[in-house]
Amino acid sequence: DVKVTQSSRYLVKRTGEKVFLECVQDMDHENMFWYRQDPGLGLRLIYFSYDVKMKEKGDIPEGYSVSREKKERFSLILESASTNQTSMYLCASNQVVAGAYEQYFGPGTRLTVT
Amino acid sequence: AQSVTQLDSQVPVFEEAPVELRCNYSSSVSVYLFWYVQYPNQGLQLLLKYLSGSTLVKGINGFEAEFNKSQTSFHLRKPSVHISDTAEYFCAVSDGSGTYKYIFGTGTRLKVLA
Repeated sequence: DVKVTQSSRYLVKRTGEKVFLECVQDMDHENMFWYRQDPGLGLRLIYFSYDVKMKEKGDIPEGYSVSREKKERFSLILESASTNQTSMYLCASNQVVAGAYEQYFGPGTRLTVT
Repeated sequence: AQSVTQLDSQVPVFEEAPVELRCNYSSSVSVYLFWYVQYPNQGLQLLLKYLSGSTLVKGINGFEAEFNKSQTSFHLRKPSVHISDTAEYFCAVSDGSGTYKYIFGTGTRLKVLA
């Protein structure tokens, strides 16, 4: 079974702190993604990575950065956390199935910034 | 640009009744379509997918969906729901040009009533 794990299920941080969210996948997938999920807005793509050290901005990259030093690990960094970054963060990786990319998700990290 | 519309934000239904969750997409190219389910405090799990071939797709937990190209729809159905189907359901599209990015709908919260 494909497994995508995230370092924390729940996290509480203070405004201005630097926050690291870690994601690890065990299926040698090339592509990895970070999404943010908010009620009524669905999933919005923050950043994705298609190879080690390669990254591309998604739809809402402001206030975030990412790091991918190893193929299996993709980190999301909040340089200076703010209350509007309180959200559920989902990591995903994908593989090609019959020409399409099928995404596998981690359990999510619910981040609260106070 | 691609977009996905889930017409209902919430759908209440009684146990053992049928349900249909609606999804429409806009795309000028061939697409791959997916439905994901998210149980409370969990990540997203793939329910079913349409890649090609038969327009009626069967998934896990008794769900099925029908791809209708002329109406650009991919509605999810289940003939008889259970309390355990209470969850949020997301429709997603990935275009057939080889991109590995998904566009997600805003989600439909299915609440099954006893």
